[in-house]
Amino acid sequence: EDQVTQSPEALRLQEGESSSLNCSYTVSGLRGLFWYRQDPGKGPEFLFTLYSAGEEKEKERLKATLTKKESFLHITAPKPEDSATYLCAVQAENSGGSNYKLTFGKGTLLTVNP
Amino acid sequence: DGGITQSPKYLFRKEGQNVTLSCEQNLNHDAMYWYRQDPGQGLRLIYYSQIVNDFQKGDIAEGYSVSREKKESFPLTVTSAQKNPTAFYLCASSIRTLGYGYTFGSGTRLTVV
Repeated sequence: EDQVTQSPEALRLQEGESSSLNCSYTVSGLRGLFWYRQDPGKGPEFLFTLYSAGEEKEKERLKATLTKKESFLHITAPKPEDSATYLCAVQAENSGGSNYKLTFGKGTLLTVNP
Repeated sequence: DGGITQSPKYLFRKEGQNVTLSCEQNLNHDAMYWYRQDPGQGLRLIYYSQIVNDFQKGDIAEGYSVSREKKESFPLTVTSAQKNPTAFYLCASSIRTLGYGYTFGSGTRLTVV
């Protein structure tokens, strides 16, 4: 069974204090790893897709990296507007025959104080 | 602009009542999904549909029903058999290709009164 574990559950940072969020996964053949941002009361918003170990993608203050067992979302010099819940999800190689299913982690609630 | 529209944003249900949540997409996506989100539990799959007139149960389908009569629409009915319906409901869609993620709607918050 595919599993995704995100840590920490919550993270509080001061503005400008860089840190990383972790997403550990167990999947029978990774087809894609996805990062989403979710603001309170809203639907998740797509950030990145990573496909293979060693891959990195950046967007403004965010950089996502991928190894064979985990992914990190690095936040450099965060601002209060980066406060949100960050969700990680994986898609397995064998999910195409069923529902192209994404398995989600429970998320990390990030709070950036001014 | 293409996207997914969920309505209403807030919904209140009385005990014993069925309610229907709307989900419409204009992205020309074949697959559509319904998730339930509760605090501390992450997203749980209720139902999914890969093509029109076909849908399958997800992990927590009991007490819910769906239909897929049009490619653009995937309404979810929360029946009186769902004993704990208060939650945030998310609709999503995707193309049927591995390696592509979901596009989500803005959600419906359902509260039992």
